[in-house]
Amino acid sequence: GESVGLHLPTLSVQEGDNSIINCAYSNSASDYFIWYKQESGKGPQFIIDIRSNMDKRQGQRVTVLLNKTVKHLSLQIAATQPGDSAVYFCAENAGGTSYGKLTFGQGTILTVHP
Amino acid sequence: DTGVSQDPRHKITKRGQNVTFRCDPISEHNRLYWYRQTLGQGPEFLTYFQNEAQLEKSRLLSDRFSAERPKGSFSTLEIQRTEQGDSAMYLCASSTGTDGYTFGSGTRLTVV
Repeated sequence: GESVGLHLPTLSVQEGDNSIINCAYSNSASDYFIWYKQESGKGPQFIIDIRSNMDKRQGQRVTVLLNKTVKHLSLQIAATQPGDSAVYFCAENAGGTSYGKLTFGQGTILTVHP
Repeated sequence: DTGVSQDPRHKITKRGQNVTFRCDPISEHNRLYWYRQTLGQGPEFLTYFQNEAQLEKSRLLSDRFSAERPKGSFSTLEIQRTEQGDSAMYLCASSTGTDGYTFGSGTRLTVV
């Protein structure tokens, strides 16, 4: 499978801990943001999204926070499990035609130790 | 229909050969996107379709690359005269236009 993750930021946590993955985006016109999880050899898997008119959105065990002032996005994973180990990407859509081009961030490798 | 399907999963080709990849989106999705991903990087946008219309192409999509979606359902991505720099994972995604993208598992291309 694909070995993504060379030279990417890494985060190591113990099983059961909460994880926070951060992302800085560049385009102040971006109005839609998505977090993806990518496991080796697989395509990105949708986790949660948020629009620019919101500051926070919660899913099952995940929360996304958006700070438009400093152009920062974070993904919080509660009670992290070994199955959460993967590369996590944030992606932004720069206004106008929503659901058009997504621009992806660098990615963060999350490793969860049992 | 369980998701976005891509074929083949892996392709090894000699430099200079042409290759074609296929993507079958989720059936009710009218938007289809192609991305390329290299090791250690996030996916990079190549092009997208709304139904059969190709609405945007990236500068990354050189003249050797062409994508089609003739009937607004499946799409093909062709690379002519492949180069070693074309080696990458080619990802397809689809959406309804009101929901987030769903990606396929990708086609890994290796040019030798």
